[in-house]
Amino acid sequence: AQSVTQPDIHITVSEGASLELRCNYSYGATPYLFWYVQSPGQGLQLLLKYFSGDTLVQGIKGFEAEFKRSQSSFNLRKPSVHWSDAAEYFCAVGAFETDSWGKFQFGAGTQVVVTP
Amino acid sequence: SQTIHQWPATLVQPVGSPLSLECTVEGTSNPNLYWYRQAAGRGLQLLFYSVGIGQISSEVPQNLSASRPQDRQFILSSKKLLLSDSGFYLCAWGVGEQYFGPGTRLTVT
Repeated sequence: AQSVTQPDIHITVSEGASLELRCNYSYGATPYLFWYVQSPGQGLQLLLKYFSGDTLVQGIKGFEAEFKRSQSSFNLRKPSVHWSDAAEYFCAVGAFETDSWGKFQFGAGTQVVVTP
Repeated sequence: SQTIHQWPATLVQPVGSPLSLECTVEGTSNPNLYWYRQAAGRGLQLLFYSVGIGQISSEVPQNLSASRPQDRQFILSSKKLLLSDSGFYLCAWGVGEQYFGPGTRLTVT
């Protein structure tokens, strides 16, 4: 079974500063990795995904993530945060094997606070 | 384009009452469908998933059940709600990445 760890429960960043959210996964097969964002009281919105190929993935809202197989990591980055980036961010790993096709395991989330 | 709907948006129910939450998807056929619960300040817990009509897999033994009477309809039910059933319920669809509905906030009093 897959598992995901987001080591940082809460991060505070100044507007205009860079942001990096950490995600470590455990999965025996080829991982399919995702980052989602959730604003208060809302559903989750897909930021980006990694299935294969280029290990640096570009997403929406200026986010990117880098897959590092040797470190079992899929960290999310943004060069310059905006106040609207304040939200909770979830990393997920998807299983696409016969007996668990399409099942996701989500991390516990990282709450991002943006200060002026 | 695909759209996912959930209703109701909010619900306050007394302990012991029944529950029915509905999720429908438009613009796609034979999607995988998922029910998650999100407790306050916690991540997402997968409750049920379905790969087709009448096919339901349960992930966590609990007071809830799910049904898929039509290809793009997914229903979460309970015969008698418990206080611990309170939370934010999210429906999702996908055949690779998952796309989430707006959620239902359930408060059991």
